[in-house]
Amino acid sequence: EAGVVQSPRYKIIEKKQPVAFWCNPISGHNTLYWYLQNLGQGPELLIRYENEEAVDDSQLPKDRFSAERLKGVDSTLKIQPAELGDSAVYLCASSPLSGAGELFFGEGSRLTVL
Amino acid sequence: GENVEQHPSTLSVQEGDSAVIKCTYSDSASNYFPWYKQELGKGPQLIIDIRSNVGEKKDQRIAVTLNKTAKHFSLHITETQPEDSAVYFCAAIYDKVIFGPGTSLSVIP
Repeated sequence: EAGVVQSPRYKIIEKKQPVAFWCNPISGHNTLYWYLQNLGQGPELLIRYENEEAVDDSQLPKDRFSAERLKGVDSTLKIQPAELGDSAVYLCASSPLSGAGELFFGEGSRLTVL
Repeated sequence: GENVEQHPSTLSVQEGDSAVIKCTYSDSASNYFPWYKQELGKGPQLIIDIRSNVGEKKDQRIAVTLNKTAKHFSLHITETQPEDSAVYFCAAIYDKVIFGPGTSLSVIP
């Protein structure tokens, strides 16, 4: 069974440029998460989807971040415009159950903003 | 508030020795406490979890203990091996999963 797939693995952009990350969850997992992981810290939730509905986006900086999960399968996280402080790893995870249980993480997308 | 504290932040042990990582959580956490291992360049992976109806759970060389009265839980790794070197995160479930800040474990051959 394929795991959570994320792309790109690495992205280097200049500040004020846009960037997008893509995630394909494990087949059959209705819940999808985007996490932000700064260096030396634990993952922090940005947004959680139940199917195509964003049920928790309270930590998503909506002035520059947006996300979508059309058709309730894969998802895209966008930043526009990127700032220096956005340099981090963006992790996608999925789970078969909402709110509890094991999260299955992708390998992450490392963003460097110059 | 929703908070998970984790200690130590870094830990070095000799191969074969034991390693212990401790976490505390605040009042409103739910009854499920997972532990994740993150290797360099990879995403976190669940290694063991515990629910509040048990005080201890063991899986080969790793074990987790839970003290709900004191609101803390611990990860124990025995007979450590170099491949145990990684960052370990505890977590608690509030209305969402809250991760601790992580412990970087180094096992010295």
